[in-house]
Amino acid sequence: ETGVTQTPRHLVMGMTNKKSLKCEQHLGHNAMYWYKQSAKKPLELMFVYSLEERVENNSVPSRFSPECPNSSHLFLHLHTLQPEDSALYLCASGTASNTEAFFGQGTRLTVV
Amino acid sequence: GEDVEQSLFLSVREGDSSVINCTYTDSSSTYLYWYKQEPGAGLQLLTYIFSNMDMKQDQRLTVLLNKKDKHLSLRIADTQTGDSAIYFCAENPGAGSYQLTFGKGTKLSVIP
Repeated sequence: ETGVTQTPRHLVMGMTNKKSLKCEQHLGHNAMYWYKQSAKKPLELMFVYSLEERVENNSVPSRFSPECPNSSHLFLHLHTLQPEDSALYLCASGTASNTEAFFGQGTRLTVV
Repeated sequence: GEDVEQSLFLSVREGDSSVINCTYTDSSSTYLYWYKQEPGAGLQLLTYIFSNMDMKQDQRLTVLLNKKDKHLSLRIADTQTGDSAIYFCAENPGAGSYQLTFGKGTKLSVIP
């Protein structure tokens, strides 16, 4: 039990679908992250929220839209994705004063 | 930009020591981390070291940092089959940065 829970664990979606990934943490952290893990590539930081404000957006295409309604929940809304967006999407949480990041188990996304 | 390099594969016999190496380019790195990823799971923080330290030991794990050469290593003593996983090195420059830069990961295979 990592304290960071992601749902769903697996998702298959068509290129015209709209879906959302959910992340929830109960560690009392005030920062949450979305990472993308593709085969044979380093983890890529996509978005960072600190105190529910987006603080970093690493040039991610607009077909990925994050939402952080409160410090415990983070969403990644997906629409009109491409097959190359198939990857493991990892959520993490941490605190602004401590750069440790605790990861969820990830959502394995396949775009068909 | 920052870059973190690791060898992709390492194979050791059960009971031997494993040494996983990592090099990084950002001389301002303040925090350096080792994460473990088991199949189908998210990343688990194993240990971390501050840049003002040379060594950190935690049970079977020993982290060595050579700041001059920008070289980080993780030694696992008495390697067990349960240690088979992908190990990621990551660095963070500190100073309020949320960015964790990861290597591509080293897949450790433990031979019984």
